[in-house]
Amino acid sequence: GAGVSQSPSNKVTEKGKDVELRCDPISGHTALYWYRQSLGQGLEFLIYFQGNSAPDKSGLPSDRFSAERTGGSVSTLTIQRTQQEDSAVYLCASSRDRGVTDTQYFGPGTRLTVL
Amino acid sequence: DAKTTQPNSMESNEEEPVHLPCNHSTISGTDYIHWYRQLPSQGPEYVIHGLTSNVNNRMASLAIAEDRKSSTLILHRATLRDAAVYYCILRGNSGGSNYKLTFGKGTLLTVNP
Repeated sequence: GAGVSQSPSNKVTEKGKDVELRCDPISGHTALYWYRQSLGQGLEFLIYFQGNSAPDKSGLPSDRFSAERTGGSVSTLTIQRTQQEDSAVYLCASSRDRGVTDTQYFGPGTRLTVL
Repeated sequence: DAKTTQPNSMESNEEEPVHLPCNHSTISGTDYIHWYRQLPSQGPEYVIHGLTSNVNNRMASLAIAEDRKSSTLILHRATLRDAAVYYCILRGNSGGSNYKLTFGKGTLLTVNP
């Protein structure tokens, strides 16, 4: 079946502009996660959704970052007033549920470059 | 969170077995040991997980020490496609944040033809 998809695959933007990154999880997966991977920082957790609610936003680096999920499906990560340090690969993952044995399936990521 | 320690890099030859070690001396009794890998320019993918007993699946085997303070991911016959960063991750069954994956630096596996 279809895996997790993300769009765009690449995004180049100018400092100060807003960007939206989209994630389409696997159908029926209730849990959705955003991670970020930057040079020197490795893979870090950003936010977790259960259904449309986000019980854990602890990894969002600043209030310029926000995310929503609608219909228990598609999620959008928005970065306002982008900065150069926001340049990274943003990865989305989904899992059937939030249990410790539930596999997380990752998308291919969106590579964000802030000039 | 319980931490894991892995070698930064390992090298193998194609069609030979590879043993990737992971130390997790502070593991708690309810922590599962998960392995994910990340191929170049791709998102991470699940490999295997276990709690106490050794586990096998089509991708790999997971050998867990009797005291659970270490584990080894075994690729029985490495192929060029197995070249990736391998992450050993603990996921606890207690506490409130067992849903997220905490990635360390992982082990970069190079497979020589």
